[in-house]
Amino acid sequence: AAGVIQSPRHLIKEKRETATLKCYPIPRHDTVYWYQQGPGQDPQFLISFYEKMQSDKGSIPDRFSAQQFSDYHSELNMSSLELGDSALYFCASSLNGGWGYTFGSGTRLTVV
Amino acid sequence: AQTVTQSQPEMSVQEAETVTLSCTYDTSESDYYLFWYKQPPSRQMILVIRQEAYKQQNATENRFSVNFQKAAKSFSLKISDSQLGDAAMYFCAYRSAGTASKLTFGTGTRLQVTL
Repeated sequence: AAGVIQSPRHLIKEKRETATLKCYPIPRHDTVYWYQQGPGQDPQFLISFYEKMQSDKGSIPDRFSAQQFSDYHSELNMSSLELGDSALYFCASSLNGGWGYTFGSGTRLTVV
Repeated sequence: AQTVTQSQPEMSVQEAETVTLSCTYDTSESDYYLFWYKQPPSRQMILVIRQEAYKQQNATENRFSVNFQKAAKSFSLKISDSQLGDAAMYFCAYRSAGTASKLTFGTGTRLQVTL
């Protein structure tokens, strides 16, 4: 069965650079969620989209932006990267905003 | 805002034994969902079990079962016949019943399985 695809799997950036993380939900899933998990921490909710509209916003820095496209894939754009942005970024998707989450394998971002 | 508390940072269990991981949560909502996720060293988030708050019956998935106490706002995970592959970080998570609701995670319990 198709899963949630995140790209890239690993990303190394320098401070003050920009990064773009992509998430391709399970086919027909219309809801996407982004989470950030720092080293040794629990995942923290960043932002979500339902039917291409922003649904909820968590502790997402102003330097980050995200959107969901017409094919339901989503991109998380991160600018002016800081060392503290180094983390595992998860994307999850669900159908009709329902509770059946499926997580992707994550993108490991390292800022040096 | 909802909060999820896991008071056991680390637990250890011998292979084939049973272990219980604790989770409590705080909410004013009456309808919600609760989850246990497993995160092995690969850091993939794997759903272990889920519970709908409106269901009184405790969820069970093979060797995994929960003890859901709605009034006490407690949601513990019991792992029976523990296996080496069960070693991982376990996160308890809460989700409101609304459309596209986020997950709120606890701080996790690291489970070690010994021979």
